Amino acid sequence: NAGVTQTPKFQVLKTGQSMTLQCAQDMNHNSMYWYRQDPGMGLRLIYYSASEGTTDKGEVPNGYNVSRLNKREFSLRLESAAPSQTSVYFCASSEMDGGTEAFFGQGTRLTVV
Amino acid sequence: AQTVTQSQPEMSVQEAETVTLSCTYDTSENNYYLFWYKQPPSRQMILVIRQEAYKQQNATENRFSVNFQKAAKSFSLKISDSQLGDTAMYFCAFGLSQGAQKLVFGQGTRLTINP
Repeated sequence: NAGVTQTPKFQVLKTGQSMTLQCAQDMNHNSMYWYRQDPGMGLRLIYYSASEGTTDKGEVPNGYNVSRLNKREFSLRLESAAPSQTSVYFCASSEMDGGTEAFFGQGTRLTVV
Repeated sequence: AQTVTQSQPEMSVQEAETVTLSCTYDTSENNYYLFWYKQPPSRQMILVIRQEAYKQQNATENRFSVNFQKAAKSFSLKISDSQLGDTAMYFCAFGLSQGAQKLVFGQGTRLTINP
């Protein structure tokens, strides 16, 4: 059981380049999320998709776009990368019920130079 | 909006000792959940324990237990008989009782268990 799979695991971008982070889950969860993790700040929600066909902004959405491709897949796009977007990115999924466990991918370490 | 604060950036204890990690939060909601997640060096986020706000009884999972003080908005994690494998970052998180699990995380506490 793979759970939540993110690709790539590591990436270095130049300022201004674009890229898409891919995420897929095999647990038939309705809800999916993108977080970023920065030192001393914990994880912060970028965007989420409560159910297939919907997406909403989280706490730090500026500079990002998302696509809920189908129930399994939820991608995060950086259109013009900036050094401030250097971070570790986590995708997660869960049922759309309060208190249920959120399952996380192994993260993508992104460096923008 | 909800906020979660972990005031201990780092802690270190000897193996087999008991350690308590602190967490405070702020919310105007009545129905919510609180979580502790563990992040070992592998970076994988692992759920350690969860607490429903309407339950007065503190949650326990083997060596892990919480002290939930709803009025004080405090949610500490106690690890008993600590093991080397408990070395990790620990994050306290808040989630609402309905809808998508949009978690609000604290800053994290880096826990080191020394042999």
